[in-house]
Amino acid sequence: EPEVTQTPSHQVTQMGQEVILRCVPISNHLYFYWYRQILGQKVEFLVSFYNNEISEKSEIFDDQFSVERPDGSNFTLKIRSTKLEDSAMYFCASSILTVSYEKLFFGSGTQLSVL
Amino acid sequence: DQQVKQNSPSLSVQEGRISILNCDYTNSMFDYFLWYKKYPAEGPTFLISISSIKDKNEDGRFTVFLNKSAKHLSLHIVPSQPGDSAVYFCAAAPNRDDKIIFGKGTRLHILP
Repeated sequence: EPEVTQTPSHQVTQMGQEVILRCVPISNHLYFYWYRQILGQKVEFLVSFYNNEISEKSEIFDDQFSVERPDGSNFTLKIRSTKLEDSAMYFCASSILTVSYEKLFFGSGTQLSVL
Repeated sequence: DQQVKQNSPSLSVQEGRISILNCDYTNSMFDYFLWYKKYPAEGPTFLISISSIKDKNEDGRFTVFLNKSAKHLSLHIVPSQPGDSAVYFCAAAPNRDDKIIFGKGTRLHILP
């Protein structure tokens, strides 16, 4: 079965450093998402991306965050200057249609640890 | 701002019995509801969904019930198996929206 792949599985960084989390969505999917889960808390929506632009973002997704689909297969999340509170599991997801009509497929996540 | 609430952080059920996981929501614009299952060190995987035009959807051992007037849905697993031990997330999406909102999850333990 096709799957969403994320790299790396674990990223450790110093506070203030930039990180890029990488995702390869399922090839025929059109909608892409980033979610995150801080330890012990709920899975939180960060951003959705369709047709090469952000379609929706949450209040968490401030100017320190950006997303890009640089080459038609990868979908990246960049955090410009990491903070301690950015430590979380970051999940990439994709779907063929908007999620009101179709399920999301999630990757296995990147555990980001900011020291 | 908890639009999707799972009030039980954990639940233990004997193998072979029925597991019932509950979820409440506050946003009347939600039109599509999903349950995801998550094992440690893995991403959430889709389990079952229901749209607001239905009150029940069944898929093998899994059945989701939706009570729109009460803004409540539940996931029934019968019979429960050891592999069902996981965290279960309830999620909801407004119609024609492109994000889903998750609850905090309920950790289900299936006891031998």
